[in-house]
Amino acid sequence: KAGVTQTPRYLIKTRGQQVTLSCSPISGHRSVSWYQQTPGQGLQFLFEYFSETQRNKGNFPGRFSGRQFSNSRSEMNVSTLELGDSALYLCASSLEQGQGYEQYFGPGTRLTVT
Amino acid sequence: GNSVTQMEGPVTLSEEAFLTINCTYTATGYPSLFWYVQYPGEGLQLLLKATKADDKGSNKGFEATYRKETTSFHLEKGSVQVSDSAVYFCARGDTGGGNKLTFGTGTQLKVEL
Repeated sequence: KAGVTQTPRYLIKTRGQQVTLSCSPISGHRSVSWYQQTPGQGLQFLFEYFSETQRNKGNFPGRFSGRQFSNSRSEMNVSTLELGDSALYLCASSLEQGQGYEQYFGPGTRLTVT
Repeated sequence: GNSVTQMEGPVTLSEEAFLTINCTYTATGYPSLFWYVQYPGEGLQLLLKATKADDKGSNKGFEATYRKETTSFHLEKGSVQVSDSAVYFCARGDTGGGNKLTFGTGTQLKVEL
């Protein structure tokens, strides 16, 4: 079974631009979560989707948004990029919603904002 | 608040040495606890988990026991290998029913010959 895939793997954008990142969960998984990883702040939760609905949101500004499609694939969007948005963005999928379900992470998208 | 605290790194050990990485958590309720490992340039891999008090998670020679009385979930391995060099993250689950993970800051482990 294929793992979690994220596209693109690397991205360079300019301040003020917007970006869309994509995540395809493991087949059959219905929950997708997004995390931002930076050297300074570590791993921070962005949001979680289940059955096309956002179930939980982390403490990030409204410039960060996401959605989930009927096939469970998810996208996240960052508008008006800032230098501080440079990070590794990780997507994780799990079979269902609930802390007992194991989450599987993709390789991440490395975003650099210049 | 709800948080995870793990020991600062980097930790440098000789091959076959004993490893302990400390992790403590705060939470309302009884969260599931996890250890993830991240190799350079990769995402996170689940190493082991425990879902209730006194559970022991184990995988690839690593072990951690869910200690409710000390709110701890320390990672141990009896004999480390060079291939264990990576960053290790302790995490707690969401007692509110979601999938949110709260991570510690990570501990870099370097194993030398």
